[in-house]
Amino acid sequence: SQELEQSPQSLIVQEGKNLTINCTSSKTLYGLYWYKQKYGEGLIFLMMLQKGGEEKSHEKITAKLDEKKQQSSLHITASQPSHAGIYLCGADMRLSDKLIFGTGTRLQVFP
Amino acid sequence: DAGVTQSPTHLIKTRGQQVTLRCSPKSGHDTVSWYQQALGQGPQFIFQYYEEEERQRGNFPDRFSGHQFPNYSSELNVNALLLGDSALYLCASSFLDRYEQYFGPGTRLTVT
Repeated sequence: SQELEQSPQSLIVQEGKNLTINCTSSKTLYGLYWYKQKYGEGLIFLMMLQKGGEEKSHEKITAKLDEKKQQSSLHITASQPSHAGIYLCGADMRLSDKLIFGTGTRLQVFP
Repeated sequence: DAGVTQSPTHLIKTRGQQVTLRCSPKSGHDTVSWYQQALGQGPQFIFQYYEEEERQRGNFPDRFSGHQFPNYSSELNVNALLLGDSALYLCASSFLDRYEQYFGPGTRLTVT
């Protein structure tokens, strides 16, 4: 079974709509990372969360880590076609630098 | 400031052959990690190198080996290629014990 579960697996939204992607772990996370990936390309670092209850924002993207440090959400406000891609959450579960990744959420934004 | 670079971009090999992939870390980074990403999946950790030594290893067979050079660049070698080794291979660099990893564009390996 997957150590990190992402939902939904795919998302199709109209430009301008808000959306949320979730990442859930059965274990406490020492660090939670959000990356964006264009199809077949490398990962672009978005944000890193480490403290329970932490929230970070960059442009129209906000990520939160819950108090128990087992779930994170990524929220995009007023989506644009440039937001399209695959969003991956990666977690450090053992303070080891080794990241465990979810299977990703494929986001499509249509005009 | 150059980010993480990888070469080659694409590679096609035949079953049983051997392949070497290369990675140059982001300037100043001393730690390199390698990941395998199969189609439709998240990246899977292969191993990590620091000070020219393998520091951690994921659940991959010994056919997967690596090397890190004094300038921190790294190679990933895969022997006796199988069809299932077809994937995007990603390299990530970081400072040791600082968990923000920067990824390269990847090398797409196709095994026929």
